[in-house]
Amino acid sequence: GAVVSQHPSWVICKSGTSVKIECRSLDFQATTMFWYRQFPKQSLMLMATSNEGSKATYEQGVEKDKFLINHASLTLSTLTVTSAHPEDSSFYICSARGPENEKLFFGSGTQLSVL
Amino acid sequence: GQSLEQPSEVTAVEGAIVQINCTYQTSGFYGLSWYQQHDGGAPTFLSYNGLDGLEETGRFSSFLSRSDSYGYLLLQELQMKDSASYFCAVIQQAGTALIFGKGTTLSVSS
Repeated sequence: GAVVSQHPSWVICKSGTSVKIECRSLDFQATTMFWYRQFPKQSLMLMATSNEGSKATYEQGVEKDKFLINHASLTLSTLTVTSAHPEDSSFYICSARGPENEKLFFGSGTQLSVL
Repeated sequence: GQSLEQPSEVTAVEGAIVQINCTYQTSGFYGLSWYQQHDGGAPTFLSYNGLDGLEETGRFSSFLSRSDSYGYLLLQELQMKDSASYFCAVIQQAGTALIFGKGTTLSVSS
């Protein structure tokens, strides 16, 4: 099946710094990617929809200036958490729709810990 | 608002059959998916229903009734490795993101 690669797997950073997370579709082109956030023992919450070559669409309550999304190519989307704070500590997961329209393939996730 | 309801926890023994129900209320509906997630891992696709009826994939089957806004995931011949969280998720329109339920934690014991 389609493969989505996400890096890094985990990152620890100091409060106030920025962290970039990369999401790549390895064997297919993804015009649209989705970014989710998941807190422990909770569901996946959609943060934003990333569209290649255009601005991302953010869900209500998600600060677009804090969570910068760039989808510069058909295989790469990045999420930058700017000026990270401890409350941003979470599991961030990207996904892309594969060749079969109804399936979403997920990256392995990034565990962010902000000290 | 949108809501997807599923039981929070289910326990079973190896070899048993378990059914995880999901009822949904969303502004649009295109299809219902099921995903499995082990602790610390990413969700993996299990099944998709776009039309009413049963879809079977090996030990896992999924059912959808659009008129009842209801679906279920059926897991047969349970194995210890099936212990994980299971999420139902709705696609409201083709090409859009999945909206996930809160997840059901399945614990399989020997």
